[in-house]
Amino acid sequence: RKEVEQDPGPFNVPEGATVAFNCTYSNSASQSFFWYRQDCRKEPKLLMSVYSSGNEDGRFTAQLNRASQYISLLIRDSKLSDSATYLCVVPRMDSSYKLIFGSGTRLLVRP
Amino acid sequence: NAGVTQTPKFQVLKTGQSMTLQCAQDMNHEYMSWYRQDPGMGLRLIHYSVGAGITDQGEVPNGYNVSRSTTEDFPLRLLSAAPSQTSVYFCASSPRLGDEAFFGQGTRLTVV
Repeated sequence: RKEVEQDPGPFNVPEGATVAFNCTYSNSASQSFFWYRQDCRKEPKLLMSVYSSGNEDGRFTAQLNRASQYISLLIRDSKLSDSATYLCVVPRMDSSYKLIFGSGTRLLVRP
Repeated sequence: NAGVTQTPKFQVLKTGQSMTLQCAQDMNHEYMSWYRQDPGMGLRLIHYSVGAGITDQGEVPNGYNVSRSTTEDFPLRLLSAAPSQTSVYFCASSPRLGDEAFFGQGTRLTVV
């Protein structure tokens, strides 16, 4: 099993739709989680950090389900500008605390 | 506020050439890392550093060297470029181990 797994998509949704992505992680001891957004040919940028049960920032909500070992990202009222790849990131729980990146979920928001 | 700065943005190398990708951060972050990103494979860690004078290997270190003589700079050296090293390279820094990473704008490297 991969340490961090994401559905690659693409998720193709109309403007105004609500869309959710899941990310599963293998280490039940993981304590922190990050969602990054990456636009085509650009660097990843932090969208949201999650340290407890979840986090909310405007139209974006992240929820953590420790029992099932997944973290979700919900986007409400999708905008054309939300089209991007969303990366789930989990620090490895060893002395290195290396960040483990999922391969990303691609979102396309159509007019 | 520069953040993480990478140079060059684009580079074409011939097989066998060597070069250094530069990375500098002005946030006084202890933790720095280099990733490569290939289509469909996500970001893979090449090397990382937990502080000046300390470096370690990531998942895909072969063919690359790093050094960390100062907190600010973390250059990545390609020893003898190969076509398999054609990729987009990102440098990142974090304030603490396991904390969120801040990325440079990337270097697009093509080896012919």
